[in-house]
Amino acid sequence: DTGVSQDPRHKITKRGQNVTFRCDPISEHNRLYWYRQTLGQGPEFLTYFQNEAQLEKSRLLSDRFSAERPKGSFSTLEIQRTEQGDSAMYLCASSLVPEKNTEAFFGQGTRLTVV
Amino acid sequence: AQSVTQLDSQVPVFEEAPVELRCNYSSSVSVYLFWYVQYPNQGLQLLLKYLSGSTLVESINGFEAEFNKSQTSFHLRKPSVHISDTAEYFCAVSEVGEYGNKLVFGAGTILRVKS
Repeated sequence: DTGVSQDPRHKITKRGQNVTFRCDPISEHNRLYWYRQTLGQGPEFLTYFQNEAQLEKSRLLSDRFSAERPKGSFSTLEIQRTEQGDSAMYLCASSLVPEKNTEAFFGQGTRLTVV
Repeated sequence: AQSVTQLDSQVPVFEEAPVELRCNYSSSVSVYLFWYVQYPNQGLQLLLKYLSGSTLVESINGFEAEFNKSQTSFHLRKPSVHISDTAEYFCAVSEVGEYGNKLVFGAGTILRVKS
């Protein structure tokens, strides 16, 4: 297993278009997180899944955002009607809970640019 | 809710000099503490973590951090930095508990090591 992988690495889209990102977590990990990182800021939590159940969504996740993890493995994050403010790095992380030495492993991210 | 403050946005330092990156947190519950590093064009990597036990934790590449509960701090130190340590460093916390590894990050500190 090579870790958390995200696809695509870069995405440029026109304002108003829909985009979808994919995250493949470490295979045995049951928890999957999405974060957003804008320039000059640390990552901000968006949502997370325990297996296929979406357990929490941040208020940052507007109605234009939807995330799924249909079989408890890979996850997708879709942004509808993109806006310039959506330009950011979207990070995925996974972990195995409950484990005492809990640690989240991050993917390299998908950089979204909305023009 | 938790929050993390990294007091310095950028820290320039000469090679082989010591460095300290400051991190303070706020939380009404017990937390785990982490330092992540992000090299240019790469994802976040865990540098070190405090879960319990000894308040001084170390990484394999010479960094250390000390958990100070009374001052709610988790400063990162290295006695002698290398050019290769140039990166952005993020302090993060998560709430202890079953659903405790959703991370809250600081804004990051860019460490620039000069020759």
